[in-house]
Amino acid sequence: DIQMTQSPSSLSASVGDRVTITCRASQSISSYLNWYQQKPGKAPKVLIYGASNLQSGVPSRFSGSGSGTDFTLIISSLQPEDFATYYCQQSYSALGTFGGGTKVEIK
Amino acid sequence: QVQLQQSGPGLVKPSQTLSLTCVISGDTVSSNSGSWNWIRQSPSRGLEWLGRTYYKSKWYNDYAVSVKSRITINPDTSKNQFSLQLSSVTPEDTAVYYCARDPGSGWPRFDPWGQGTLVTVSS
Repeated sequence: DIQMTQSPSSLSASVGDRVTITCRASQSISSYLNWYQQKPGKAPKVLIYGASNLQSGVPSRFSGSGSGTDFTLIISSLQPEDFATYYCQQSYSALGTFGGGTKVEIK
Repeated sequence: QVQLQQSGPGLVKPSQTLSLTCVISGDTVSSNSGSWNWIRQSPSRGLEWLGRTYYKSKWYNDYAVSVKSRITINPDTSKNQFSLQLSSVTPEDTAVYYCARDPGSGWPRFDPWGQGTLVTVSS
C-alpha cells in the first residue's frame, strides 16, 4: 500500500499569513495527488486535484505543486474561513490512501 | 450538480451487519465514467477508503484489503443509488461513513461527498 505522510500535523497561523503544508508519498505517484479541506462536522471538500489543478469554485489563494513523492499545498493569504483540517490523498492506486491531516488553527 | 444523500442506522450491534444507502441526484449510478465509493473516518484510522462500484459495460467492485472479507457494495439502478454492507462489525468499525463519487473524467478524485453518517457499534 502507498503511505501518505503529512507535515505538520497542526499549525497555528494568523489571518493574512502564508501557510505551507507538505505531503510525502512512500513511492512515486506521479501527479496523482489531491488536497481536501474538512471543517468540523462536514465532509471533506476537494481543493486541488492532479497535484496542481484548482477545483472549480475554490479561491485562487489555494495552490498545489509537486510530483513524484513530494507535494505542497500553499494558502497564500490565510482567511478566517480557511481554518480547517487539510488532507492529501493519492489517487495513483484504487485504494486512494489519505494522509493523516494538518489542522490549521487560529494563532 | 451532483448530490449524494446518505441514509441508514446510526447504531449497530456487534457481530451484526452495517447497512447504508447513498442516493444519487444529478448523475446515474450506471454511468460509464466514474465510480461510486464508500469511505470512513475515525480518530484511530483516519480517512480510510473502503471500496467502490462502477460500470464499464458490466459491473465491477474493488474493496480495501482490510475489509475485503466483510464488505459488499451494490448498485441499484432502479433507485439510482448504491449501498454498503459491512458484516460482523466490531467496535473498531465505529466511524463516520461517507459515500463519494469519483467523476472518472480527468484526474481521479472524490467529488462530491455525502453528508456522512456516524455509525456506532455497541450493544
